[in-house]
Amino acid sequence: EPEVTQTPSHQVTQMGQEVILRCVPISNHLYFYWYRQILGQKVEFLVSFYNNEISEKSEIFDDQFSVERPDGSNFTLKIRSTKLEDSAMYFCASSKGQQETQYFGPGTRLLVL
Amino acid sequence: GDSVTQMEGPVTLSEEAFLTINCTYTATGYPSLFWYVQYPGEGLQLLLKATKADDKGSNKGFEATYRKETTSFHLEKGSVQVSDSAVYFCALSDRTGGSYIPTFGRGTSLIVHP
Repeated sequence: EPEVTQTPSHQVTQMGQEVILRCVPISNHLYFYWYRQILGQKVEFLVSFYNNEISEKSEIFDDQFSVERPDGSNFTLKIRSTKLEDSAMYFCASSKGQQETQYFGPGTRLLVL
Repeated sequence: GDSVTQMEGPVTLSEEAFLTINCTYTATGYPSLFWYVQYPGEGLQLLLKATKADDKGSNKGFEATYRKETTSFHLEKGSVQVSDSAVYFCALSDRTGGSYIPTFGRGTSLIVHP
């Protein structure tokens, strides 16, 4: 069964460094998403992406964040200058349509020191 | 704004015990309600959903009924197995604002002992 994959599974970085989290959505899906979950807190929506542009974003998704679909398979989340409070589990998801079920990847655990 | 509140975990049960995980919500419109499950090392998977009041979602022996009068969507299973050990997330999607993005609760960890 097709699944969403994410790399790396764990990432440790120093405050102020740039990180890129990678996702490979399911191949025939058109909508892509990033969520995060700070330890012990809720899963929070960051951004959705469709037709090579951001379709929706939350207040969390500020200028430090960017997303890109650099080729036909990858979907990336970049954090330009990481802060301690960016430490969280980051989930990628994809769906066929806007109202369709979202399929989630296993997550990347980011730790900022 | 919209919000989801679910019971604190972990919930620890013996195999074949009855499971209830409580979930209540606040929404401005008429949301769809969901339960997602996350098994260790995996992503969130949609477990079941209900789109209108009094609907019952069911899957893999789990059930939840959309109760508009109590704004609740409690997850139940009659006899849990060790393999049900996972984190369970309640979520809603309220299309009032034109968005289909789900709002999640914090998750409830379930541990089932043999």
